[in-house]
Amino acid sequence: NAGVTQTPKFQVLKTGQSMTLQCAQDMNHEYMSWYRQDPGMGLRLIHYSVGAGITDQGEVPNGYNVSRSTTEDFPLRLLSAAPSQTSVYFCASRRGKHQPQHFGDGTRLSIL
Amino acid sequence: EDQVTQSPEALRLQEGESSSLNCSYTVSGLRGLFWYRQDPGKGPEFLFTLYSAGEEKEKERLKATLTKKESFLHITAPKPEDSATYLCAVQVGSGGYQKVTFGTGTKLQVIP
Repeated sequence: NAGVTQTPKFQVLKTGQSMTLQCAQDMNHEYMSWYRQDPGMGLRLIHYSVGAGITDQGEVPNGYNVSRSTTEDFPLRLLSAAPSQTSVYFCASRRGKHQPQHFGDGTRLSIL
Repeated sequence: EDQVTQSPEALRLQEGESSSLNCSYTVSGLRGLFWYRQDPGKGPEFLFTLYSAGEEKEKERLKATLTKKESFLHITAPKPEDSATYLCAVQVGSGGYQKVTFGTGTKLQVIP
C-alpha cells in the first residue's frame, strides 16, 4: 500500500498565481484533512472532509479551496498565492472518528 | 480554547540516557491523545493513542502514559535512531469530525 501520496513535493510560486496540491490515499478512508506546518507552530487544520462530497472549514481556511469528488482524492487549491502561504502542507486520512491519522510526506511551498 | 503544550522544545541525550517528554493539555471533553514521530522532511508517523487517564502503551523503547492533565512519553535507553521530533495531539468534541489540536513538538537528539 502506498498510504497517503502528495504531489508535488516542492513548489515555488509567484504572488498571485494559483495552483492545486494533490493528495490521494489508497486505504479507503472516509476522513481526510489538510494541515499546514509552520516553524514554532503546531499543525493547523485548513479544511477537512468526512466523505465524498462533504467538506468543511478548519482553523485557517482563508485563501484555500477543497473538493472531494471521490473517496481517494482530496486536492487543495490555492486561489491567489500570497507570501503568508509559504509553508509545508500535509494531507492526512483516517478510517474513523477516533482513529489515528496517516500523513503524507508533505508539499513544501514557497511563495515569492 | 483548546491548548496543547509540549516541553521541552528540544532535548539532547546521550545514547542510553533515559528521559521523558511532556505534553500538557487544557481541553473540554478529551476523546483521545495521540503521539506521533516526525523525521526531517517527512510527515508525522503514528505511535500511540491513549483514551483515558491511567492508560499506558509501550512500543520498543517508548512508553506513553496519560493523566487528566498531561501525557508523558518515556524513552528508555534511547539510540541515535530515536532522534526525531515527537508531536502530541488531542482530539476533542462530539459530532462528525472531531478536530485534532497539535502541540509544537519536542525535538529529540540522541548522541552516540
